[in-house]
Amino acid sequence: GAGVSQTPSNKVTEKGKYVELRCDPISGHTALYWYRQSLGQGPEFLIYFQGTGAADDSGLPNDRFFAVRPEGSVSTLKIQRTERGDSAVYLCASSPGGPWSTEAFFGQGTRLTVV
Amino acid sequence: GESVGLHLPTLSVQEGDNSIINCAYSNSASDYFIWYKQESGKGPQFIIDIRSNMDKRQGQRVTVLLNKTVKHLSLQIAATQPGDSAVYFCAENTPTSYDKVIFGPGTSLSVIP
Repeated sequence: GAGVSQTPSNKVTEKGKYVELRCDPISGHTALYWYRQSLGQGPEFLIYFQGTGAADDSGLPNDRFFAVRPEGSVSTLKIQRTERGDSAVYLCASSPGGPWSTEAFFGQGTRLTVV
Repeated sequence: GESVGLHLPTLSVQEGDNSIINCAYSNSASDYFIWYKQESGKGPQFIIDIRSNMDKRQGQRVTVLLNKTVKHLSLQIAATQPGDSAVYFCAENTPTSYDKVIFGPGTSLSVIP
């Protein structure tokens, strides 16, 4: 596609439920990033993939959060036993690879609301 | 630790005036800085970047100034237009974590027609 696509755009879930958020990066981009943005704040780094492997997962807040990218393209962010504090916009970005650069583009985000 | 912050959370300017958005960073090892614009319901969009070996860089209607002595970054928007209304973030990148950028809290710019 022309840009980074994230689905769904909005997700409402009950506390304690499991959710999956999907990111389709720009075709050919080997690097993929997940960020979380709480209301009124800047995006917070979660995890970075280079190809299929997680090169840096230092931003994942706890073991309820997990992300995969099995074929080096689409990525899924998985959140178990959701809590109200998980409510945020989850942003995905992709880039051709290497250091963060001007070639990194963000998707529109998935707004997750835990009720 | 690493952190990036902004002096002004909100800024209102008259259409046609120049806007200045400021950012302070704490990590003296940061060597790459980017300004992003985020409109409601959208992801951050790249505006302009600057490396630490420069103190000024100009784009179309935008200028970024970097003062490494006081660890301060600013974004200047010339002849501000209604379409410039958005939240602006500065983000920093360091040699030890080149694979990601750290965002500041953001400044909301509102352009008054």
